[in-house]
Amino acid sequence: AQSVTQLGSHVSVSEGALVLLRCNYSSSVPPYLFWYVQYPNQGLQLLLKYTSAATLVKGINGFEAEFKKSETSFHLTKPSAHMSDAAEYFCAVSDRSGYSTLTFGKGTMLLVSP
Amino acid sequence: NAGVTQTPKFRVLKTGQSMTLLCAQDMNHEYMYWYRQDPGMGLRLIHYSVGEGTTAKGEVPDGYNVSRLKKQNFLLGLESAAPSQTSVYFCASKDRGSNQPQHFGDGTRLSIL
Repeated sequence: AQSVTQLGSHVSVSEGALVLLRCNYSSSVPPYLFWYVQYPNQGLQLLLKYTSAATLVKGINGFEAEFKKSETSFHLTKPSAHMSDAAEYFCAVSDRSGYSTLTFGKGTMLLVSP
Repeated sequence: NAGVTQTPKFRVLKTGQSMTLLCAQDMNHEYMYWYRQDPGMGLRLIHYSVGEGTTAKGEVPDGYNVSRLKKQNFLLGLESAAPSQTSVYFCASKDRGSNQPQHFGDGTRLSIL
């Protein structure tokens, strides 16, 4: 069985500060990993995905994530937060089966203050 | 390109009523999924389909039924709504290949009184 743990239900940063959102996974097979962002009253939008090519993955809006197998982690970072980054972020792991179901973490709300 | 469209966007039901949520995708995707999102719980998979005429249970299937009569549509039914089914429901679709991402609709907010 797969699982995803996102450390911290809320993370607060100042505009211009580093953003770090943590994601740890457990999987019996090498996983595919995804980060999604959800703005208020909207669906989930893909930020980036890891599919066993490069371990450092670049996504949209200046976000990137690094896959670390030894730490079973896939943390999301952005060098400088912008007010528009305030949203909820979800990490998810795919089971790599033919059904490709996703297991989501519980989400981290990013708050950005001026 | 509309992507994934969910109807309705909002609905209020009384306990015991039934309703159907419609998901339509125009990307010719094989796989479709229904999730529910509750505060602090992330998204949980209700049912999914890997092709027309096929469906399977996810993590939280009780109280829901689904049908995939056409490739582009995936219906989620509540036969007898309960207050515990108050939630935001999301539909998603994806192409074949486990490395392909899921594409989400904007959700249906459902309240059961």
